[in-house]
Amino acid sequence: QKEVEQNSGPLSVPEGAIASLNCTYSDRVSQSFFWYRQYSGKSPELIMSIYSNGDKEDGRFTAQLNKASQYVSLLIRDSQPSDSATYLCAVNAGTALIFGKGTTLSVSS
Amino acid sequence: ETGVTQTPRHLVMGMTNKKSLKCEQHLGHNAMYWYKQSAKKPLELMFVYSLEERVENNSVPSRFSPECPNSSHLFLHLHTLQPEDSALYLCASSQDNAPNYGYTFGSGTRLTVV
Repeated sequence: QKEVEQNSGPLSVPEGAIASLNCTYSDRVSQSFFWYRQYSGKSPELIMSIYSNGDKEDGRFTAQLNKASQYVSLLIRDSQPSDSATYLCAVNAGTALIFGKGTTLSVSS
Repeated sequence: ETGVTQTPRHLVMGMTNKKSLKCEQHLGHNAMYWYKQSAKKPLELMFVYSLEERVENNSVPSRFSPECPNSSHLFLHLHTLQPEDSALYLCASSQDNAPNYGYTFGSGTRLTVV
């Protein structure tokens, strides 16, 4: 059974701080990894993808991948109240993506 | 119309009803998916279609019946559902059936079974 694990939170950070979201996965052969943001009552929206070990930066977001440790993370710099949402980690399992339960982030102003 | 469109947005149905959910993608993708999202649980993969062929059925009860008449349209036919089937049903599409570039999701159908 392929699994993706995330701490469900809530993770609370003050405005302007760095939010760190973590994810582990069980399938060693997975090659592509994704972070989705889901606002309450809305559908998931793709915000980051990563394929190689190391860091990938896009604006205030940085995704980090360590395949040896089977670990993916998302850093959000200068967190804003508008970043308050649930963040879903997803892993390519071959024919489809497998998702974690999501981490709820709350950014207070 | 752009992206992935799902209808209806909300649906309330009795346990003896038959209804269908519709999904349409305007992205030129060739793979489409149905997921179920319940509170406190990860998204559950239900069905995968690639080039209109079903490639995965994740042990879904037979009261859910998918249909993919072409690469742009996907349906989920519902009959004799149970209250525990109440959830958000999400359709997604991707460029290929090994989704290396991720999915685009539709807005979802919020289903309530009474």
